[in-house]
Amino acid sequence: GAVVSQHPSWVICKSGTSVKIECRSLDFQATTMFWYRQFPKQSLMLMATSNEGSKATYEQGVEKDKFLINHASLTLSTLTVTSAHPEDSSFYICSARVEQGNQPQHFGDGTRLSIL
Amino acid sequence: AQTVTQSQPEMSVQEAETVTLSCTYDTSESDYYLFWYKQPPSRQMILVIRQEAYKQQNATENRFSVNFQKAAKSFSLKISDSQLGDAAMYFCAYRSAWGNQFYFGTGTSLTVIP
Repeated sequence: GAVVSQHPSWVICKSGTSVKIECRSLDFQATTMFWYRQFPKQSLMLMATSNEGSKATYEQGVEKDKFLINHASLTLSTLTVTSAHPEDSSFYICSARVEQGNQPQHFGDGTRLSIL
Repeated sequence: AQTVTQSQPEMSVQEAETVTLSCTYDTSESDYYLFWYKQPPSRQMILVIRQEAYKQQNATENRFSVNFQKAAKSFSLKISDSQLGDAAMYFCAYRSAWGNQFYFGTGTSLTVIP
C-alpha cells in the first residue's frame, strides 16, 4: 500500500514553455503533499508543501509564480513550471504521507526535467 | 528548523562486510521520528528503516539496523552482509511528531566493492 505515482518521468521541452507534473496518491488520501527539487549528487530540497483545498506553502527563495502548485483533490497535486528556462532543469520529486502516527513519506519516482 | 547532518559524503564497503553510516540531528523536541531512505541510481526514494524517538529499542529490518542514541542525537545505520544492490545514496531524515515536514541530511554515497 501507500503508493505515490508521479508523471511524467522525463520531459524535454523548449525554453519558454510551461510544464505540468502530476503527483497522485493511488491508495490513500493525502491532505498534504510535498514537492522537492534535487540537483545531481545532492540532497532533496523542499520547494513547497501542497495543501488540499488551500494555497501551497512555499519555502524561502522559491518563486511561487514560477512554480505553481495546485492540490485540488485528496489524491492529486500538480506542479507547473511556468515559462521554463534551462536553469529550471532538474529532478523534481513529490511525496505524500498517510497522516497517522509514524508513517513515512512515500515518494513518487521523480520527474527529470530538461529545458533546451 | 531542525538540522540533520551526515558527515560522511562517501563510504565504501567490501561485499559481505558490515558498514555503518552516521547521522546526527539537532532538535529541542522530545517526540519525533527518524528515517533512513535509500536512493539507488534509478533515483527512486526507498524507505529502509524507521525509528520512533520514544522507543528505546533500536529498529531492525533484516540486514539493516540502527543505533539510536537519543541523548547524543545520533541515528546511525548499520548494513550487515553488504550486497551489490545496497550501493546507493542514503539519506537520514527527521520528522517532528507534530508536523508533516521532513528534514533530510545531505546524504552518504555508498559503494559496494565486489
